[in-house]
Amino acid sequence: DTAVSQTPKYLVTQMGNDKSIKCEQNLGHDTMYWYKQDSKKFLKIMFSYNNKELIINETVPNRFSPKSPDKAHLNLHINSLELGDSAVYFCASSLTRRNNEQFFGPGTRLTVL
Amino acid sequence: KNQVEQSPQSLIILEGKNCTLQCNYTVSPFSNLRWYKQDTGRGPVSLTIMTFSENTKSNGRYTATLDADTKQSSLHITASQLSDSASYICVVRDNYGQNFVFGPGTRLSVLP
Repeated sequence: DTAVSQTPKYLVTQMGNDKSIKCEQNLGHDTMYWYKQDSKKFLKIMFSYNNKELIINETVPNRFSPKSPDKAHLNLHINSLELGDSAVYFCASSLTRRNNEQFFGPGTRLTVL
Repeated sequence: KNQVEQSPQSLIILEGKNCTLQCNYTVSPFSNLRWYKQDTGRGPVSLTIMTFSENTKSNGRYTATLDADTKQSSLHITASQLSDSASYICVVRDNYGQNFVFGPGTRLSVLP
């Protein structure tokens, strides 16, 4: 069974479109994260949710809006996509907000044309 | 400013050889340091975690060291295998528990 899953794995879209990436974890973890990994392979945290509550919100354009319908899901919606949004987006989860072994999903490669 | 630096940026070695990757950090107050391995096209996977009181920890052919005084950590890989080709990322967490800083990673290539 996949621990942290993301869909889709690849996403190619035009500038200006709105898209969503879904993430689900079946580990029973309380905390979930979204990361962006750019072309230089640098991982940067974007958001963190603990039991559906937003706890980390780094400096991210408000075109990015996370939504957590329950603690097993953290979806990422992006409005008005821009070329600079092209990257690999990783979802991750950890048992608690203070237990920092994070389990990562396989990533979603977003390409904005 | 909390930062994590890693060196070298990339490394190429022959199969069977040993190598050591470095991580320097300025994160304070320090809580723990974790090494992740990221295979191409996949998410990072945790290799080992070091807390303030630990100097050395091994996980198979991987051995991590920590010097909390100089704020340095290393990851030593023994008898490298082709499957060790990956990026190795150092992540440091502060003592407040909520902030963690990722290093830029070291890209290791093991050649036959």
